[in-house]
Amino acid sequence: SQKIEQNSEALNIQEGKTATLTCNYTNYSPAYLQWYRQDPGRGPVFLLLIRENEKEKRKERLKVTFDTTLKQSLFHITASQPADSATYLCALDKSGGSYIPTFGRGTSLIVHP
Amino acid sequence: DGGITQSPKYLFRKEGQNVTLSCEQNLNHDAMYWYRQDPGQGLRLIYYSQIVNDFQKGDIAEGYSVSREKKESFPLTVTSAQKNPTAFYLCASSTGQYTGELFFGEGSRLTVL
Repeated sequence: SQKIEQNSEALNIQEGKTATLTCNYTNYSPAYLQWYRQDPGRGPVFLLLIRENEKEKRKERLKVTFDTTLKQSLFHITASQPADSATYLCALDKSGGSYIPTFGRGTSLIVHP
Repeated sequence: DGGITQSPKYLFRKEGQNVTLSCEQNLNHDAMYWYRQDPGQGLRLIYYSQIVNDFQKGDIAEGYSVSREKKESFPLTVTSAQKNPTAFYLCASSTGQYTGELFFGEGSRLTVL
């Protein structure tokens, strides 16, 4: 069966450290993968997109990698701040050619001052 | 400001009643979506629409209905046939192009009493 797996346990880190979140998938062949941020009681906000032919993408303190062999994406936040505390969702296209993202459950990140 | 507006933010309903959630966007986006989010769960697709007067069922359409009479509007009706309607409902829109990011509203929290 198709699965998108994100760590269900919250990730607790100290301010200033790099946070690394993982998104693994099985039985998908996504052409792209997206990352969103969601604060409690709010709608998700798009952060980054990475295509299957891209190894790495950066935006300010954010970095995303995409390994289609390992079927995994890593999402990094460098120099993390308490304001980065939120749930981070990964999403990928359900089947090659679909424009509709399918979402993982998300991982909660807590950055301690 | 361009964006997506969902209303109401909180809604209480008695069992057996239908309820309609509003979603309006002024982003001139072609595609609109409804997702449902339960605690600890990812977003699950209910319905989506690529153009006016056309829409398709998502993964969990049973007990829900939608309409798309205008480009800006995509209301969702939660019918009495929906067995477990208490949830957080999210409306989103996109350009409809491949890899297009989703823009989400702030969500509507429905509680069935």
